Amino acid sequence: NAGVMQNPRHLVRRRGQEARLRCSPVKGHSHVYWYRQLPEEGLKFMVYLQKENIIDESGMPKERFSAEFPKEGPSILRIQQVVRGDSAAYFCASSPASGGGPADTQYFGPGTRLTVL
Amino acid sequence: AQSVTQPDIHITVSEGASLELRCNYSYGATPYLFWYVQSPGQGLQLLLKYFSGDTLVQGIKGFEAEFKRSQSSFNLRKPSVHWSDAAEYFCAVGTGGFKTIFGAGTRLFVKA
Repeated sequence: NAGVMQNPRHLVRRRGQEARLRCSPVKGHSHVYWYRQLPEEGLKFMVYLQKENIIDESGMPKERFSAEFPKEGPSILRIQQVVRGDSAAYFCASSPASGGGPADTQYFGPGTRLTVL
Repeated sequence: AQSVTQPDIHITVSEGASLELRCNYSYGATPYLFWYVQSPGQGLQLLLKYFSGDTLVQGIKGFEAEFKRSQSSFNLRKPSVHWSDAAEYFCAVGTGGFKTIFGAGTRLFVKA
């Protein structure tokens, strides 16, 4: 009865490198959400995906950030050419295939803490 | 614009005392409201949610919350706090789209 899995739990990158964050949703869930949490702040929505589709990416920076949720395998949040300001905790959540939307209960993973040196 | 305000950054409560965490939201339509708890180094766990119906909702771990439309509030309460309740609590509102908007959180400290 595995919940949402995220790896790595901690990731250290130097400025200019790439960061890849993985999220495996709860088995049977086909909706994935990514959030970013800066220190002392709440979670900020980044992107919402269904299998092979980006539904809403309005919270994701236009440059250097991308997300995918392929037919097979985990969802990936990719940050290219990281900068110090990207240091944060990145959380993934999943919800069942019930149509998506604000009423869906989201199940959160433990997060990936990215540190950019 | 939609927003969620948690006025208290930190709250300290004695073990066994009652607790109320405040949450105010700004949203034009009927909101979907949530309370989550986050323990250090962990993800968020849903405590309870409100969509419609009875404005007093019961959640896990003995928590409850009351939706007051006239005050745009959704305060979280617990009659008797346990030391294990020390954590950060987030109020959130689900909007008409797919976003969930979170408040900045209230960190709860429990003293013996």
